[in-house]
Amino acid sequence: DTEVTQTPKHLVMGMTNKKSLKCEQHMGHRAMYWYKQKAKKPPELMFVYSYEKLSINESVPSRFSPECPNSSLLNLHLHALQPEDSALYLCASSQDSWDRGRPHTDTQYFGPGTRLTVL
Amino acid sequence: KNQVEQSPQSLIILEGKNCTLQCNYTVSPFSNLRWYKQDTGRGPVSLTIMTFSENTKSNGRYTATLDADTKQSSLHITASQLSDSASYICVVSAAGSARQLTFGSGTQLTVLP
Repeated sequence: DTEVTQTPKHLVMGMTNKKSLKCEQHMGHRAMYWYKQKAKKPPELMFVYSYEKLSINESVPSRFSPECPNSSLLNLHLHALQPEDSALYLCASSQDSWDRGRPHTDTQYFGPGTRLTVL
Repeated sequence: KNQVEQSPQSLIILEGKNCTLQCNYTVSPFSNLRWYKQDTGRGPVSLTIMTFSENTKSNGRYTATLDADTKQSSLHITASQLSDSASYICVVSAAGSARQLTFGSGTQLTVLP
């Protein structure tokens, strides 16, 4: 199984709603990522979890709250979003292997994304 | 600042023709370079990955080259198909920053019948 799955595929929410995006992988990967991608732009890294611990938070507003319940699951909780938060949200995972005490650069496998629209 | 620049921004070719996409990077110290294909509204899919010591790698009709001296890479697509229409993104990793990738803005390829 070399797949990263994301649900839902599409989400429309108002600025006062609370919703969650979900991501799952069964490749035994120990690093999981959230990216935000606006139209015709490259993905922007939001968060990285390594071994279920938050290792990178790229100064993301607190209205985005990540959670990693176990090594296969990654959630992104959304609350009080703004219309400019509308984007494709991508989840990715990688092996997160180490080589002589340094993290090895493993291929990141991306999910299909959740298209989020904030009204 | 680490940067990846791709050219052209967009490209239109006829089905069956070949094309070459370019990527220049200033990421340092260099670890590896990947080419991803991203269909509209979908997640990127890895096509090739090359480290410092590799200067060419193929994946079916896709052939990537890397010149680590000039910090340039290219992706050559042979005998294009309609399904090749997508954005092709060059992604570079810096050594010691394994989890943080530097993405290019992509080349939007359209293959017409």
